[in-house]
Amino acid sequence: GQQVMQIPQYQHVQEGEDFTTYCNSSTTLSNIQWYKQRPGGHPVFLIQLVKSGEVKKQKRLTFQFGEAKKNSSLHITATQTTDVGTYFCAGDTGGFKTIFGAGTRLFVKA
Amino acid sequence: DSGVTQTPKHLITATGQRVTLRCSPRSGDLSVYWYQQSLDQGLQFLIQYYNGEERAKGNILERFSAQQFPDLHSELNLSSLELGDSALYFCASSPSGGGGTEAFFGQGTRLTVV
Repeated sequence: GQQVMQIPQYQHVQEGEDFTTYCNSSTTLSNIQWYKQRPGGHPVFLIQLVKSGEVKKQKRLTFQFGEAKKNSSLHITATQTTDVGTYFCAGDTGGFKTIFGAGTRLFVKA
Repeated sequence: DSGVTQTPKHLITATGQRVTLRCSPRSGDLSVYWYQQSLDQGLQFLIQYYNGEERAKGNILERFSAQQFPDLHSELNLSSLELGDSALYFCASSPSGGGGTEAFFGQGTRLTVV
């Protein structure tokens, strides 16, 4: 079936280091969304990418959508302790069902 | 505050029992989604309703069922509960019925089956 794979599962970084999580789909996506879930919290929408090759930035966060619309990445520059949480990608194949990746849990050591 | 309300926040019940989780979507949102999140796991899509009709189905067990009422609130019914059903159940809502739109999540209901 349709799958969205996300790597790595966990990432430990020192505060100030960069962090990247990758999302790969087995099928072409019409769009992809990114969510952040703080420990003990609920997922919160970050951004949506729609166009092939699209790059969007939100302060220290950079989101990319691959040319083939099958992969995406989220890069955080100079992580801070407030970046701690689980980052999920969610892909839409054009149907009504959005498929979430398993998430990357980010730990930031001060 | 996302505007999505889930009740109850916590639920402890015994194996074999039946429970109902409730979700009130954001005002104006027609779609409701249910997700299951087991401990330290990802989000598993269960089911989506749009304006009262089932729109999409994910990995929802036959013991589970859901519905969306005319006032657009939704209920997720879990029956013959097993220990493995212990998880955080999230409801999310969005304005439209199509995928690829921003979803707003509730705080979740933590279900513990003992």
